[in-house]
Amino acid sequence: AQSVSQHNHHVILSEAASLELGCNYSYGGTVNLFWYVQYPGQHLQLLLKYFSGDPLVKGIKGFEAEFIKSKFSFNLRKPSVQWSDTAEYFCAVNGDNTDKLIFGTGTRLQVFP
Amino acid sequence: GAGVSQTPSNKVTEKGKYVELRCDPISGHTALYWYRQSLGQGPEFLIYFQGTGAADDSGLPNDRFFAVRPEGSVSTLKIQRTERGDSAVYLCASSRTGNNSPLHFGNGTRLTVT
Repeated sequence: AQSVSQHNHHVILSEAASLELGCNYSYGGTVNLFWYVQYPGQHLQLLLKYFSGDPLVKGIKGFEAEFIKSKFSFNLRKPSVQWSDTAEYFCAVNGDNTDKLIFGTGTRLQVFP
Repeated sequence: GAGVSQTPSNKVTEKGKYVELRCDPISGHTALYWYRQSLGQGPEFLIYFQGTGAADDSGLPNDRFFAVRPEGSVSTLKIQRTERGDSAVYLCASSRTGNNSPLHFGNGTRLTVT
């Protein structure tokens, strides 16, 4: 069965610090990988996605993620965070033959000015 | 344009009662998803519709939970004989075609069973 692990439950950073949020998945076949973000008081929205091709994908607001197949990982990065990046971040995965998206437990990011 | 709309935004009900949660997807989106999110957890898949039919209902926890989408647009999630453990935020999402097109989420319905 598919599963997603997010190791960092709560991350606290100062503005301009670099960010890396871990995501590991368990699935035996071809996968599609996603990061969703939920800003305070708002609905979940797509940050970036990986289906195939270049394993380094760029999303909105300066975020990027790297798919490392050998490590079953899809970590999210941002070189310099802003206060407005305060949100909850969810990694998600589905197999190539299904639209059933499996989410991790989320990482709460707090950025202080 | 209009996003995914979920009503009510909050629902408090007594244990044992029946509840219905409604989802209005983005117009033209053929795929519709229901998720449940408990405190401190990520969204948990419940059911996925492609058009009027349930393409995957493997996440429904038991037979107290049922969902319909009779005209391929609005969907209703129905919970019978509610239990305190059903308390959670119920999220609806739609996508243009399924097939990995991005999910657009609503704000959710917070269900509290007392």
